[in-house]
Amino acid sequence: GIQVEQSPPDLILQEGANSTLRCNFSDSVNNLQWFHQNPWGQLINLFYIPSGTKQNGRLSATTVATERYSLLYISSSQTTDSGVYFCARSASGGYQKVTFGTGTKLQVIP
Amino acid sequence: EPEVTQTPSHQVTQMGQEVILRCVPISNHLYFYWYRQILGQKVEFLVSFYNNEISEKSEIFDDQFSVERPDGSNFTLKIRSTKLEDSAMYFCASRGALRAGSEQYFGPGTRLTVT
Repeated sequence: GIQVEQSPPDLILQEGANSTLRCNFSDSVNNLQWFHQNPWGQLINLFYIPSGTKQNGRLSATTVATERYSLLYISSSQTTDSGVYFCARSASGGYQKVTFGTGTKLQVIP
Repeated sequence: EPEVTQTPSHQVTQMGQEVILRCVPISNHLYFYWYRQILGQKVEFLVSFYNNEISEKSEIFDDQFSVERPDGSNFTLKIRSTKLEDSAMYFCASRGALRAGSEQYFGPGTRLTVT
């Protein structure tokens, strides 16, 4: 089946630091999404990025589909960035259920 | 931007009780999904729904679960007789089309606690 692996599994940052989260997937992708799960468990859509680069404020994401990876950049991190970051991709056939990665747990400390 | 909404945000129920989790997908979407996340684990697919019937389901989605689109806007997940292990976050999602590269929109989730 589809494999989606994320690294690192855990990350602790000092407030103001930058970070890069990585997502590797096992086969070709036609869509890739990034989510932030806040400490209350809510899932927040960050990016839909099957290829190329997108930016939204302090966050940006890049997907290189031919090399089967995606990166999420967080710049000038804030304590509110804490939580778990998931990448996820849809199956290419059927009803395109989404497979989530194992997540990167980020803690930003003041 | 359109969004998927879910109610309630947190539901507490006693073991053996029935619960219904509600979702309002994006209005012109045709494909609907439920996912589950047990605390500390990955988000897992439960079921997909299209044209008023289940199109795909995982092995988690047993006879205790059912889904319904009772009207033109709501999409519900029912658990008939809750067990302790049903405690989890439940996420609803919807998609407008199955063409390659279409985004699946997720709701914020409902936390279900079974006591």
